[in-house]
Amino acid sequence: DAGVTQSPTHLIKTRGQQVTLRCSPKSGHDTVSWYQQALGQGPQFIFQYYEEEERQRGNFPDRFSGHQFPNYSSELNVNALLLGDSALYLCASSLLQGEAFFGQGTRLTVV
Amino acid sequence: DQQVKQNSPSLSVQEGRISILNCDYTNSMFDYFLWYKKYPAEGPTFLISISSIKDKNEDGRFTVFLNKSAKHLSLHIVPSQPGDSAVYFCAALHGSSNTGKLIFGQGTTLQVKP
Repeated sequence: DAGVTQSPTHLIKTRGQQVTLRCSPKSGHDTVSWYQQALGQGPQFIFQYYEEEERQRGNFPDRFSGHQFPNYSSELNVNALLLGDSALYLCASSLLQGEAFFGQGTRLTVV
Repeated sequence: DQQVKQNSPSLSVQEGRISILNCDYTNSMFDYFLWYKKYPAEGPTFLISISSIKDKNEDGRFTVFLNKSAKHLSLHIVPSQPGDSAVYFCAALHGSSNTGKLIFGQGTTLQVKP
């Protein structure tokens, strides 16, 4: 079992660009959540997807959007990147009622 | 507004001694609490959890205590081992579910010295 896998592991983007991060959930999991972890802070909830629909959303602007595919994998898109978007982006998968398993994260640096 | 707070950014203990990590919360609607451990370059790993209907949960060397009246929980690691050195996050949920929107504290970096 590969667990939760995220790609890429590291990414450098320029202000104003757009970025797409990808997540493959643990086998058998149908729910994917995304978190942003800034340096020295705890992860902050961005949104959660279940059955290809956004189920819950945290306090993030509309520049942050996502998608879940029929195979339960997910993408996080961020438009018009700001320097403050530099962070570790974590994906967590679970069953709708179950423990969340995290991937290793994608380190995004905006310059 | 930080609803889950870990006021100690770091903690250093000697191998074999007890490590106590603390966490405070402000939202009385939280009814499920979790501790995660995070090594560098890895995602957080679930460690132990506790429901608000309990005041203690134990799993091997790890015990979590919950004081609802004080809105405080703590993680005890006994005995501490060098491999326990990591960042520990406290997280909370409301809605009687152990999935959904996790609210994390800022983390405490534990160093266990041999």
